[in-house]
Formats: sequence, C-alpha cells, structure tokens
Amino acid sequence: NAGVMQNPRHLVRRRGQEARLRCSPMKGHSHVYWYRQLPEEGLKFMVYLQKENIIDESGMPKERFSAEFPKEGPSILRIQQVVRGDSAAYFCASSLGTEETQYFGPGTRLLVL
Amino acid sequence: DAKTTQPPSMDCAEGRAANLPCNHSTISGNEYVYWYRQIHSQGPQYIIHGLKNNETNEMASLIITEDRKSSTLILPHATLRDTAVYYCIVRVRAAGNKLTFGGGTRVLVKP
Repeated sequence: NAGVMQNPRHLVRRRGQEARLRCSPMKGHSHVYWYRQLPEEGLKFMVYLQKENIIDESGMPKERFSAEFPKEGPSILRIQQVVRGDSAAYFCASSLGTEETQYFGPGTRLLVL
Repeated sequence: DAKTTQPPSMDCAEGRAANLPCNHSTISGNEYVYWYRQIHSQGPQYIIHGLKNNETNEMASLIITEDRKSSTLILPHATLRDTAVYYCIVRVRAAGNKLTFGGGTRVLVKP
C-alpha cells in the first residue's frame, strides 16, 4: 500500500509566480491535511479537507493561499504571487477517517527566489 | 488540545534503550497521546499512540502514567537511524482534529 505521495518534491519559483503543490493520499483515505514548516521552525497546521469540502482552514494565510481536494485527483495547495517568506517545506497528511491517525508524505520544499 | 513539555535534546548510545519523557499535566479525559518523529528533511513519521493503557508496536513502547499527566516513549534498541526530532502530541480524536507540534526532543544516537 503506497504511502502519501507529494509532488513535486522540490519547487523553485520567482517572486510573483504561482506555486501548485499536489498531494495524493494513501489508498482509501479521504481526509487530507496540509502543514507548513518554515526554516528552523516547527510544523504548523494549515488546512483540513475532505473530498470536495474544506473543513478547517484556520491555519491558512488570509490571502494568496488556497486549497482544494476534488472528487477525482489529488489535493492541491495553491500559492499565488509567491514571496520569499513562503519558502518552506509543505507537508501533506492523510487519514482514513476523521478520528484516525494521520500519515504524512515526504513534503514539497518550496524555494522562492 | 493540552500542551506538552519535552526536553529539547538528549543523547542515546546505539544499542541501548532510549527513554523519551513527555509531560502533559493538563490532559483531559478524551485526549490521546501521539508520538511522531521527523528524521532530517523527511516528513513526520507516526510512531504510536495511546489513551491510558500502555501500548507496544514494532517500533516502540508507550508508557502512560496512571494519572495520565506524563508519558514515556521507549525505543528498545536505538540505532543510528533513530536519530530524529521526536514529537509528543496530545490530541482529541474529534472530527478532523489537527495536530499541534511543539518543539520536540532532538535525539542523537551515538555509536
């Protein structure tokens, strides 16, 4: 059973460009969480989604960031007009149900030049 | 979620047991204790979780005190590959409850 997959693993963008990060949950998992880890800091929750629904976006920056988890395909974390402060590792986790253990992917490392 | 307190770092000898403490004195009755670890530059890896009984799996053992105010993660035979930051997280298993990561304990396994 494949684990959580994220791509790309590394992404380089210039200021003002858009970044799209993809997350494919473990097979059978319909709950996805996104976390961000800034350099030398801990992981911080961003958003929790189920298929076609955003359940909790309390950790999402108010502007430029959005997330979706469509009926078909991976979950997408989208960052518009990236700035240097967006440089971080972005981790996706998935769970089987709302109360179940979260399993993490390998992360996408975003570097904004 | 209740706050947890962990030592910032600890060293362990390869082949010996590593005992990682965690204090969670404000834990409530419906909160579980979860342990994850993050090996350098990798995604967090789930280790084990428990409510009030001691738990054991192929990776580790979790010992929770009777009053549930603290717990210990035990790696029975530490290897160099166990070098990582270990996070103790207290979490209500409610719908979609997010994980709140603290600073963790940076464990260095030495040969």
